[in-house]
Amino acid sequence: DTAVSQTPKYLVTQMGNDKSIKCEQNLGHDTMYWYKQDSKKFLKIMFSYNNKELIINETVPNRFSPKSPDKAHLNLHINSLELGDSAVYFCASSQDTWNTEAFFGQGTRLTVV
Amino acid sequence: QKEVEQNSGPLSVPEGAIASLNCTYSDRGSQSFFWYRQYSGKSPELIMFIYSNGDKEDGRFTAQLNKASQYVSLLIRDSQPSDSATYLCASRRSSASKIIFGSGTRLSIRP
Repeated sequence: DTAVSQTPKYLVTQMGNDKSIKCEQNLGHDTMYWYKQDSKKFLKIMFSYNNKELIINETVPNRFSPKSPDKAHLNLHINSLELGDSAVYFCASSQDTWNTEAFFGQGTRLTVV
Repeated sequence: QKEVEQNSGPLSVPEGAIASLNCTYSDRGSQSFFWYRQYSGKSPELIMFIYSNGDKEDGRFTAQLNKASQYVSLLIRDSQPSDSATYLCASRRSSASKIIFGSGTRLSIRP
């Protein structure tokens, strides 16, 4: 059973399109995250939700909008995709907001052409 | 200054030797520290975490934390080719949920 699952695994789309990435965790965790990993492998946090509430919103263009319908799901919607959005996007979850590790999904490789 | 800094490598170590990976952090409020391993094209997976000053051992892995020097390291004993991966150091404050990652060190174990 996959603990943190993301769909799709690969996404190729044209500039200007709108796309969504879905994430679900079955670990019973309270906190979920979206990270972006660029071509240099630098993993940077974008958003964090705790029990469906947004608690971290890093400096991310407002074309990116997370949505958490319940604490087991955190989806990422991206409007007006740009070439620079091409990256691997990782969803992750942790038990809570304190000293616990994050478990990662398998990643979604987004390529904007 | 990046909050978590690592040498990008690649670090090449002969099989059977000890691989030493280092990390420094700038936020003195950081309370917990993590080492993740990421194989190419895969997601990061937790190797070890450490909260207290000193050493923490788990099998072939030893994490070392020195809060005064703001320094974290990971030692891998008896290195195996399967240890070849990128190792990500991460820190976290106790009062926030943000886990900050370094840019990773690429480790290569040569047979």
